[in-house]
Amino acid sequence: KQEVTQIPAALSVPEGENLVLNCSFTDSAIYNLQWFRQDPGKGLTSLLLIQSSQREQTSGRLNASLDKSSGRSTLYIAASQPGDSATYLCAVNRGDDKIIFGKGTRLHILP
Amino acid sequence: DAGVIQSPRHEVTEMGQEVTLRCKPISGHNSLFWYRQTMMRGLELLIYFNNNVPIDDSGMPEDRFSAKMPNASFSTLKIQPSEPRDSAVYFCASGGLGGSTDTQYFGPGTRLTVL
Repeated sequence: KQEVTQIPAALSVPEGENLVLNCSFTDSAIYNLQWFRQDPGKGLTSLLLIQSSQREQTSGRLNASLDKSSGRSTLYIAASQPGDSATYLCAVNRGDDKIIFGKGTRLHILP
Repeated sequence: DAGVIQSPRHEVTEMGQEVTLRCKPISGHNSLFWYRQTMMRGLELLIYFNNNVPIDDSGMPEDRFSAKMPNASFSTLKIQPSEPRDSAVYFCASGGLGGSTDTQYFGPGTRLTVL
């Protein structure tokens, strides 16, 4: 059974720092992995999607990496800003229409 | 495009009442997903439609839950009868031709409270 874990559950860092969010999954047989952002009271917004054949994806200040063999993905945020404060969720797609979400990391950027 | 539209945004009802949540996906998308989010269990996939056909409903918690997609622009999730443990935020998402393997676009959610 695929399980997705995100540690820590919450993180506070000063503005301007680079930071890394972690996601681990128990079954390496995945189709893709996606990182989402969720603002309070809102839906999820897709940030980056990494196919199983890829090692990383980049979008602006965000970089997501994928290591299937170790069951890990990281989301790197460069030069953090207060507007980055949100909950970040990773989601693993098994390719059989099953998408398993982690419970998220609640990020707070201190001005 | 207005994005995925969900209604109502908030619903408060009493135990035993019927609840109907509505979703309008992004025009042109042919996949639609219903999710439930709680603090305890996180975000769970309830059911997934592709071209209006239910593909996987194994996430539907029990027979009290049902979902329909009568056409490409509308879907409903119904709970009858509702129970306090159904209280959660229900999200609808839509996606493109890749189904669940494509990027999904989420609606703002319906916050359901069952008293």
